[in-house]
Amino acid sequence: DAGVIQSPRHEVTEMGQEVTLRCKPISGHDYLFWYRQTMMRGLELLIYFNNNVPIDDSGMPEDRFSAKMPNASFSTLKIQPSEPRDSAVYFCASSGGLLGTQYFGPGTRLLVL
Amino acid sequence: QQQVKQSPQSLIVQKGGISIINCAYENTAFDYFPWYQQFPGKGPALLIAIRPDVSEKKEGRFTISFNKSAKQFSLHIMDSQPGDSATYFCAASLNNAGNMLTFGGGTRLMVKP
Repeated sequence: DAGVIQSPRHEVTEMGQEVTLRCKPISGHDYLFWYRQTMMRGLELLIYFNNNVPIDDSGMPEDRFSAKMPNASFSTLKIQPSEPRDSAVYFCASSGGLLGTQYFGPGTRLLVL
Repeated sequence: QQQVKQSPQSLIVQKGGISIINCAYENTAFDYFPWYQQFPGKGPALLIAIRPDVSEKKEGRFTISFNKSAKQFSLHIMDSQPGDSATYFCAASLNNAGNMLTFGGGTRLMVKP
């Protein structure tokens, strides 16, 4: 298996622009998680899905952030409009089965100027 | 109630020494305690995990010690090597929260040659 795939790996954009991050989970996994990692706040859970349905989005910082999972093999995290404080590494992770082992993607490093 | 507190934030160990990272939790309903290892530029990856029905689990040089009454668990890295230099995260999950993990704040380990 190729593991969790994220794109793009790096994104540089200007304040006010829309940013879309993409994730392809491991085939057969029924949970998908979006995290944000910064030096100041560590690893934060933004939202997670079970069977393509959002279960908990309490970690989404504000309305500028939205996430979708239209099918079992694809999810997006969108920031509109982006702000410099959104600069971070965004990880997607997927899991399946009872053990709860989450497999993380390589992350998208976002820089908002 | 959902927090997992991790210490220290950073740790420097000489090659061959023992690295010890500690975590504490409040919610007694947590029933799965994994440790994740993250190298620079990579996503976190599962290192070792334990359930509360055992007090210790060992995999190679890595050992989890679990103290249910104290609500604490720790990671011991024996014979630490420079290649172990990474950020380590403890985590915990509830059996009725799907595969959602609550992560500690992370420990940046540096093993000096």
